[in-house]
Amino acid sequence: DTEVTQTPKHLVMGMTNKKSLKCEQHMGHRAMYWYKQKAKKPPELMFVYSYEKLSINESVPSRFSPECPNSSLLNLHLHALQPEDSALYLCASSPRYSGGLGAGANVLTFGAGSRLTVL
Amino acid sequence: GQQLNQSPQSMFIQEGEDVSMNCTSSSIFNTWLWYKQDPGEGPVLLIALYKAGELTSNGRLTAQFGITRKDSFLNISASIPSDVGIYFCAGQLIVSGNTGKLIFGQGTTLQVKP
Repeated sequence: DTEVTQTPKHLVMGMTNKKSLKCEQHMGHRAMYWYKQKAKKPPELMFVYSYEKLSINESVPSRFSPECPNSSLLNLHLHALQPEDSALYLCASSPRYSGGLGAGANVLTFGAGSRLTVL
Repeated sequence: GQQLNQSPQSMFIQEGEDVSMNCTSSSIFNTWLWYKQDPGEGPVLLIALYKAGELTSNGRLTAQFGITRKDSFLNISASIPSDVGIYFCAGQLIVSGNTGKLIFGQGTTLQVKP
């Protein structure tokens, strides 16, 4: 199994709603990521979990709350979002997350994304 | 912050033509990755490069890790309509305290005219 599965594919929510994005991988990867992507722009890193612990938070507003229940699952909880938060949210995983490791350690496998629209 | 300069920004070519795109930086990288992204989908890895000078092919795609470690190129031969999409380079920096974060280029949008 070489896939990263994201649900839902599309999500429309109001600014007062609470919703969650979910991500799952069964490749035995120990690093999982959330990226935000605007149209025709590169992915922007939001969070990195390494061995189920939050390693990187790229100064993301607290209305985005990540959670890693186990090594295969990654969630992104959404609350009180703004219209400018509308974007494609990508989950990714890699064998590990660290500098200077062997070839392939940080190669990302992306999911298909969750298209979020905030009204 | 660190930047990857990816060019060209966009290309509109005739089916059957060859395509070349590249990424350059003033910083040194220890890994170069090339991804393709179709509309509404996540990026898909095309080629991964780990050594300076490495030349790797994947079907009609060929990519090279520059000798200086500061650049990489991707070539597509005999383009076909399904090559349409956005191509991103990504690199992992060699710096003290490097945490493994990947730096992405701004993307090259490829359109192929049948």
